[in-house]
Amino acid sequence: DAGITQSPRHKVTETGTPVTLRCHQTENHRYMYWYRQDPGHGLRLIHYSYGVKDTDKGEVSDGYSVSRSKTEDFLLTLESATSSQTSVYFCAIRKITGTSGTGELFFGEGSRLTVL
Amino acid sequence: SQQGEEDPQALSIQEGENATMNCSYKTSINNLQWYRQNSGRGLVHLILIRSNEREKHSGRLRVTLDTSKKSSSLLITASRAADTASYFCAQGGSEKLVFGKGMKLTVNP
Repeated sequence: DAGITQSPRHKVTETGTPVTLRCHQTENHRYMYWYRQDPGHGLRLIHYSYGVKDTDKGEVSDGYSVSRSKTEDFLLTLESATSSQTSVYFCAIRKITGTSGTGELFFGEGSRLTVL
Repeated sequence: SQQGEEDPQALSIQEGENATMNCSYKTSINNLQWYRQNSGRGLVHLILIRSNEREKHSGRLRVTLDTSKKSSSLLITASRAADTASYFCAQGGSEKLVFGKGMKLTVNP
């Protein structure tokens, strides 16, 4: 158990409304990630963070913003949700092993978002 | 897209048989990782192979890596019904992991 919790786990919302998903970790890891998972596309990286207030875009960042004001929390915000953002969202933390920066990801249980 | 591809996309075998999954990727890597996802759950890390390694074992798992062909394979020996899951390969860079689209393995009892 890597101490990752996502909230909410399920959410149904309407097009045009703002949505914020929260990822909380208890182990003080530097790197945190948000992925979305869709049938036929696997997991695609939305945004990631490499420290407090340090974030960068992934391959599908349009329509999403993130914030990391504390080490333990990484927030994903959909400013104005669209039906194309209906998906399962996974947060992950990276545990670095060795000096090469190689690390493995530990995932939360996912947040299922439905945009009507 | 930098996503890799797992092959086959779906595999159905009987308990006790071996399962082989292949992964092709597109860019240079620091490492190649394999993950498993049970239905409705988050991904779980299985094994990591570094770019300077050719083969690695972990229990019933055997991973190979051919950087000249940009490909990797995951072999699960003596499969069990509990191995039924989706399997993903992921290309490891310095900061990000790029996942493939996944492969569904069904092990029939």
